[in-house]
Amino acid sequence: QKEVEQNSGPLSVPEGAIASLNCTYSDRGSQSFFWYRQYSGKSPELIMSIYSNGDKEDGRFTAQLNKASQYVSLLIRDSQPSDSATYLCAVNTYGQNFVFGPGTRLSVLP
Amino acid sequence: SAVISQKPSRDICQRGTSLTIQCQVDSQVTMMFWYRQQPGQSLTLIATANQGSEATYESGFVIDKFPISRPNLTFSTLTVSNMSPEDSSIYLCSVELGEVAAFFGQGTRLTVV
Repeated sequence: QKEVEQNSGPLSVPEGAIASLNCTYSDRGSQSFFWYRQYSGKSPELIMSIYSNGDKEDGRFTAQLNKASQYVSLLIRDSQPSDSATYLCAVNTYGQNFVFGPGTRLSVLP
Repeated sequence: SAVISQKPSRDICQRGTSLTIQCQVDSQVTMMFWYRQQPGQSLTLIATANQGSEATYESGFVIDKFPISRPNLTFSTLTVSNMSPEDSSIYLCSVELGEVAAFFGQGTRLTVV
């Protein structure tokens, strides 16, 4: 059974700090990796996707992928209270359904 | 991307009744997915809805309790039948655009009293 694991948190960081969210996955054949943000009472929204090893930056967000270690991370620089949410890691293998992790709850303290 | 309209956004229902949730996508998609998310929990896949065939249900979910319709490539419904308070949850429909991403409807917050 394909699994995606994340620390449930809560992860608390002070405003302006770097938040680091981690995710591991079990299927070595996975090809696409995603981070979703979910505010309380709302549906998940896509914030980053990454397909190859290395770093991908988008504004304050950086996704990091290491396929050899089966590890994906999301860094949020200059964290803001508005970043407080649950972050879901998702993994996709071609031709198969997305598999979502349990999510990490992030709290950015003013 | 895909724009997904889901309704109702929330409802309060009496136990023993049924609620049908609708999901409309702005483009044709092969598969649509229905998830449940209980308070403080992650997403749990209920079933995959294919146009023209019966839905495929995940372990722990059955058609009698969660009948699904998929009359065309842009629309699907999920019915929560004979509801009990344990069915109180957020229900989400989703589409997956190949390897691009998964997109979600706004969700339906269901409370059973």
